Amino acid sequence: DIQMTQSPSTLSASVGDRVTITCRASQSISDWLAWYQQRPGKPPKLLIYDVSTLKSGVPSRFSGSGSATEFTLTISSLQPDDFATYYCQQDNTHWTFGPGTKVEI
Amino acid sequence: QVDLVESGGGVVQPGRSLRLSCAASGFAFDKYGLHWVRQAPGKGLDWLAAISYNGNNEYYADTVKGRFTISRDNSKSAFYLQMNSLRVEDTAVYYCAKGGVVVAGALDSWGQGTLVTVSS
Repeated sequence: DIQMTQSPSTLSASVGDRVTITCRASQSISDWLAWYQQRPGKPPKLLIYDVSTLKSGVPSRFSGSGSATEFTLTISSLQPDDFATYYCQQDNTHWTFGPGTKVEI
Repeated sequence: QVDLVESGGGVVQPGRSLRLSCAASGFAFDKYGLHWVRQAPGKGLDWLAAISYNGNNEYYADTVKGRFTISRDNSKSAFYLQMNSLRVEDTAVYYCAKGGVVVAGALDSWGQGTLVTVSS
């Protein structure tokens, strides 16, 4: 099975900061990598799929990059709505989520 | 717009069974894969199962293979998760989600979730 890791597990930041979250896969997943945002008490929302494709309606301050086993999610200028937990997920072989990164104030 | 609504959650004793349902609307149901994902209290997301657009292919996480069964009824735009031999550690919010065309790809729409509590 493909295992996903994320770093950091928690990130403290301020409004306006540039934030980067890293996701690693235990083996190559080509470009089958998605990112989700989850606010407390809410279901996850898809932000990015296929490494770097923004879902329609997602603000352009979110971007994704990477390949094979290492990927990043970047928020260019953190907004109040962005304080949430972010999960990466591979869909190369079945589906596996990373453990999450909590972005807090 | 895509709408997914879970039902069937509740409190159940260990060893018993429960069937979750997900009613879907707002998209061509018979063209997309569908998923179940759970989240234990205070924990991360745990992918459980997926089913292809026509129901011919099912995929399971090792943790639930043999205990959980995913199915769909394209005539009703609904899909299901049959959960048998439930354990205390199965306690979680269970989400249904829409996948990609056929089945591959990210989970682009999610329901609000239904809580399953396994307790004696």
